[in-house]
Amino acid sequence: AQSVTQPDIHITVSEGASLELRCNYSYGATPYLFWYVQSPGQGLQLLLKYFSGDTLVQGIKGFEAEFKRSQSSFNLRKPSVHWSDAAEYFCAGSSNTGKLIFGQGTTLQVKP
Amino acid sequence: KAGVTQTPRYLIKTRGQQVTLSCSPISGHRSVSWYQQTPGQGLQFLFEYFSETQRNKGNFPGRFSGRQFSNSRSEMNVSTLELGDSALYLCASSYKGEEQYFGPGTRLTVT
Repeated sequence: AQSVTQPDIHITVSEGASLELRCNYSYGATPYLFWYVQSPGQGLQLLLKYFSGDTLVQGIKGFEAEFKRSQSSFNLRKPSVHWSDAAEYFCAGSSNTGKLIFGQGTTLQVKP
Repeated sequence: KAGVTQTPRYLIKTRGQQVTLSCSPISGHRSVSWYQQTPGQGLQFLFEYFSETQRNKGNFPGRFSGRQFSNSRSEMNVSTLELGDSALYLCASSYKGEEQYFGPGTRLTVT
């Protein structure tokens, strides 16, 4: 069955520190992969996407993600975290069918 | 371009009632997907409509239904509400099913 897994439920980092959020996928073929961010009480905002090609993708707000086929991973990174990055982050996969399968989400807390 | 809009934003209903939620996609987008978000189950796919046809369906009971109109606007309906239907219902639009853009959601509370 298709699935997306985010191993870390909660992560705390200090402001200015680097960030990496993990995401693993299980699909028959390489899916389209996405990272979304959700602030409390809000909808989801698309940070970045991977369809094919270059395995390092750049997104908004200074985020990037690297697709690694050998590890079935699509980890999200940011070199320097800002307090405003505190939110919940979701990794999602799709077979381009209009159906996204989401991971459980990772809540990011930023310490001053 | 205006984003995805959902109405109403908040809704309180009683068990056994039915409810209709509305979603207006980004102009030019033909695909609308619906998701249910709860603390226990996370984000779960309900169904997707493309050009007025249901193209995909998740594992929800038949009490959950939807439709799409010729202008791509979509509605979802939940009949015979249960307490467990309390959730944030999110609508997302895309041109044909690839990257999806989400609305702010409708917070449904069933009492």
